[in-house]
Amino acid sequence: DGGITQSPKYLFRKEGQNVTLSCEQNLNHDAMYWYRQDPGQGLRLIYYSQIVNDFQKGDIAEGYSVSREKKESFPLTVTSAQKNPTAFYLCASSIARRGGRLSSYNEQFFGPGTRLTVL
Amino acid sequence: EDQVTQSPEALRLQEGESSSLNCSYTVSGLRGLFWYRQDPGKGPEFLFTLYSAGEEKEKERLKATLTKKESFLHITAPKPEDSATYLCAVQAPSGGSNYKLTFGKGTLLTVNP
Repeated sequence: DGGITQSPKYLFRKEGQNVTLSCEQNLNHDAMYWYRQDPGQGLRLIYYSQIVNDFQKGDIAEGYSVSREKKESFPLTVTSAQKNPTAFYLCASSIARRGGRLSSYNEQFFGPGTRLTVL
Repeated sequence: EDQVTQSPEALRLQEGESSSLNCSYTVSGLRGLFWYRQDPGKGPEFLFTLYSAGEEKEKERLKATLTKKESFLHITAPKPEDSATYLCAVQAPSGGSNYKLTFGKGTLLTVNP
């Protein structure tokens, strides 16, 4: 089955610790994204990547880092510089081309999420 | 700045009681409006994409419509399994980022048996 997987489902971080959240997709999508979801707020974009070895900051990139070494993988590291990391983290992917032409406007498909809690 | 407002924040219906959820938006150059369903503790599930005013999409008991200022998600004869948070998102050119979705805060729908 094609889809997006995220691991772990639950993650606990101690103060001053860096943690990495995994996101893998087998949909052959070019673009991948990381969002953060907090109670009472809409999803907010952290980072996105349109192609391998390239990524861009979203609205709330401070305290986070990413890499895109493979098309199917887009891990997110939450660093100790992120002061309020407790949240639900969602990874998404989308095609980047429609009808053979580069198209930015395609639906995004989400993984099951990782809930990160700071101890 | 793109804005998306969903109303009501929460809606409680009896099974079979039809209703609509609203998503109003303020964007410059809408390229797509997306509806998602999210169950507690899970990732959003894609429902519909609407691209232009007047467009309608249907799936089972759900029907999404789009005008130049808002979108409606109509739920006909809902069942308890339709209970979820429904998210609306818009996509429009935004600086150098054409891939950004702006999400509303969602409407929590509860359908009682």
